[in-house]
Amino acid sequence: DTEVTQTPKHLVMGMTNKKSLKCEQHMGHRAMYWYKQKAKKPPELMFVYSYEKLSINESVPSRFSPECPNSSLLNLHLHALQPEDSALYLCASSQEPAGMSGSRETQYFGPGTRLLVL
Amino acid sequence: GQNIDQPTEMTATEGAIVQINCTYQTSGFNGLFWYQQHAGEAPTFLSYNVLDGLEEKGRFSSFLSRSKGYSYLLLKELQMKDSASYLCAVRDQDTGGFKTIFGAGTRLFVKA
Repeated sequence: DTEVTQTPKHLVMGMTNKKSLKCEQHMGHRAMYWYKQKAKKPPELMFVYSYEKLSINESVPSRFSPECPNSSLLNLHLHALQPEDSALYLCASSQEPAGMSGSRETQYFGPGTRLLVL
Repeated sequence: GQNIDQPTEMTATEGAIVQINCTYQTSGFNGLFWYQQHAGEAPTFLSYNVLDGLEEKGRFSSFLSRSKGYSYLLLKELQMKDSASYLCAVRDQDTGGFKTIFGAGTRLFVKA
């Protein structure tokens, strides 16, 4: 099973709403990621969790709040978003967070949540 | 800082071979990925290189030269379904841990 699942697939929210994106993997991966992707642009890394601890925050505004309740789940809590935050939000996971020379690392992506902020 | 360069667009003919190049500059190189992404879909993994040389997987091969900061993705026997964006991504390790940086992607058009 190399599947990363994300819910919901689509989300429309107002600027005063609070919503959460969910991501789940059952591959025993110890690293999980949130990316944001705008149309016709490459994914931009937002957060990295390693062994359920936040290891990288790419200077993401505080209106995005990640949470890793356990090794299989990753949430992204959204509050007071702006229209420019509309994008595809991708979750990914990989086996081992710490890079090791010669180790094989594959990031598996979920299908994404397409977010529209009105 | 980090920098990843790849061509914006390429066009090739069905059945042909195409090579997509990627050059990069990173401070803590820890591997290079190639992903395929069709419009409106999530990226799918194609290859991962961390050591120099060629990795072959079916119709796709990926090459890495760490000393030159260079990689390429080779697609053989092109099919129409190979029309997609191909993303070069470098895994970089710094004091904060590791992260994966994506290039802007190369849009490949396969024509009949």
